[in-house]
Amino acid sequence: TQLLEQSPQFLSIQEGENLTVYCNSSSVFSSLQWYRQEPGEGPVLLVTVVTGGEVKKLKRLTFQFGDARKDSSLHITAAQPGDTGLYLCAGSPYNFNKFYFGSGTKLNVKP
Amino acid sequence: DSGVTQTPKHLITATGQRVTLRCSPRSGDLSVYWYQQSLDQGLQFLIQYYNGEERAKGNILERFSAQQFPDLHSELNLSSLELGDSALYFCASSPSSSGGNLPYEQYFGPGTRLTVT
Repeated sequence: TQLLEQSPQFLSIQEGENLTVYCNSSSVFSSLQWYRQEPGEGPVLLVTVVTGGEVKKLKRLTFQFGDARKDSSLHITAAQPGDTGLYLCAGSPYNFNKFYFGSGTKLNVKP
Repeated sequence: DSGVTQTPKHLITATGQRVTLRCSPRSGDLSVYWYQQSLDQGLQFLIQYYNGEERAKGNILERFSAQQFPDLHSELNLSSLELGDSALYFCASSPSSSGGNLPYEQYFGPGTRLTVT
């Protein structure tokens, strides 16, 4: 069982559609990060959310941290082929000195 | 460019051999993490070092070992290699190690692709 569960595992959509990716846990996290990874490359940090209920926007990407700091979501508006990649959430449970990655959501945006 | 460098980029070797992967963290980062990513698999955490000391251990095999040197670069040693060790190995660095309320952001290198034949 993963400490961070991501859903869906796979998502294939048409350019212009909206989508939401979820990251859930039964543990409380001091912060959560979202990364995007393209094939054969290292994950790239997109955002860090720290405060419960926090919403951060990065152009067409909106990140939300749950009020209880146990879950997070990533919403993409008007997806583009350049958004294609593996999206990973990650974090360290509160006061626990270990870092965990979710299993990832593989997104494919078709032109 | 994350500022984390890894060498070599590609490595092809035979079963039973030993290899060393090298990582230089971002300037000022004290923590180094090693991950393994097999084809279509998620990131498997192997081990973390903080300022030269082992800080956390994940699913690292006994055939694998790592260390962090005084200049903060790190090496991952893989021995008695098996076909199943073929994977991408990533190094990441972070400014801090402690949990609590500190953001725990990691910056990844480009990876070393290991192929065991």
